[in-house]
Amino acid sequence: GAVVSQHPSRVICKSGTSVKIECRSLDFQATTMFWYRQFPKQSLMLMATSNEGSKATYEQGVEKDKFLINHASLTLSTLTVTSAHPEDSSFYICSASPAGLETQYFGPGTRLLVL
Amino acid sequence: ILNVEQSPQSLHVQEGDSTNFTCSFPSSNFYALHWYRWETAKSPEALFVMTLNGDEKKKGRISATLNTKEGYSYLYIKGSQPEDSATYLCAGRPNTGNQFYFGTGTSLTVIP
Repeated sequence: GAVVSQHPSRVICKSGTSVKIECRSLDFQATTMFWYRQFPKQSLMLMATSNEGSKATYEQGVEKDKFLINHASLTLSTLTVTSAHPEDSSFYICSASPAGLETQYFGPGTRLLVL
Repeated sequence: ILNVEQSPQSLHVQEGDSTNFTCSFPSSNFYALHWYRWETAKSPEALFVMTLNGDEKKKGRISATLNTKEGYSYLYIKGSQPEDSATYLCAGRPNTGNQFYFGTGTSLTVIP
């Protein structure tokens, strides 16, 4: 149980295009989902907290117009990197927490390369 | 934001050795501490959730302790095996929200 999927696992795109990454909780309802970014040899950096049916809460320094987050249902959150640039190339990973539980379950991550 | 730090950054041990690593965090606004194990090409896997000062948790050969007054947690692995090779992450949750802030991880390699 407690499986989180993330799609795509890897994406290469041209500079200026937008990329959407999906995060799904497959066997539980997630009232809260988190989006992280990992730079090479660094830790997971929290980008935003996504609550079902409401606006995401972004961490300081994360551009909300650049990284659009939508949590339309209890099992799906999406992160859209708009007008991607090479500096957006990174590893993006989501996690989901079931209602009332402290534990978060992670997806496998998405490797984004912007050319 | 919770500033979480881990040490050492990497560790190489022989099979059968026991080892431990440290996670430190500010004790002033602490709510909970999580430990995760992250194997290459897999999703991070939750090991422990710890909230109370003095908490001790165990899962097989892996155990963890928590000291909220001084702001640290130790993760212990007894009799390390090659399959224990992974990056071990800790994440702190402050008492002001439901966000998690990760340390940089300890990369463990167990040499057969």
